[in-house]
Amino acid sequence: EVRLVESGGGLGQPRGSLRLACAASGFTFTNFAMTWVRQAPGKGLEWVSSINYGGGSTFYADSVKGRFTISRDNSKNMVYLQMNSLRAEDTAVYHCVKEGYCGGGRCYLDYWGQGTLVTVSS
Amino acid sequence: EIVLTQSPATLSLSPGERATLSCRASQSVSSYLAWYQQKPGQVPRLLIFDSSHRATGIPARFSGSGSGTDFTLTISSLEPEDFAVYYCQQRRNWPPATFGGGTKVEFK
Repeated sequence: EVRLVESGGGLGQPRGSLRLACAASGFTFTNFAMTWVRQAPGKGLEWVSSINYGGGSTFYADSVKGRFTISRDNSKNMVYLQMNSLRAEDTAVYHCVKEGYCGGGRCYLDYWGQGTLVTVSS
Repeated sequence: EIVLTQSPATLSLSPGERATLSCRASQSVSSYLAWYQQKPGQVPRLLIFDSSHRATGIPARFSGSGSGTDFTLTISSLEPEDFAVYYCQQRRNWPPATFGGGTKVEFK
């Protein structure tokens, strides 16, 4: 059974930092890209960042580029999201998501973690 | 950035009725489009990938169609558990892998 368990959320100060972690299990972690998707309270889904299976390629939404860094540790089956220079608009539930159903170089989001809430406020 | 526009924002229907949801892209995404279902308090679930392929375990009443810029998710006969919010997402040109704003299917 695929399991994705996020941690590290909580209250962050504006201009401060938080580090989210995602523990993955139930699949061959090294074979799949991973993604972070966020959802602000009462709002829709926003793709944040993705990392390829090896960790050598990373991708970011413009809204977080230069502030957030995605990484992975394939020896520990972990994905991370380092969030710096936090803003009020970063307040959201952050989901760790496994990519799958890949074809033509494109993949989709097939397993989602329950998410961790990040609140940015002074 | 490709913008996905979903319509209608809200669809009010009764169980047993047919639901037709639309997703329009600002430029062609070929067939690289997915649909997700999100029920209240739950995480999104992948329903359809590559425009028309059902993910594992998804009932046959869910079907997807379209290519280029216009896509449709059809629920042939609504079950009570289908009342939820539905999002489309494109993977043709990314980053960013944009989502649409969602369509809420609610009880009439």
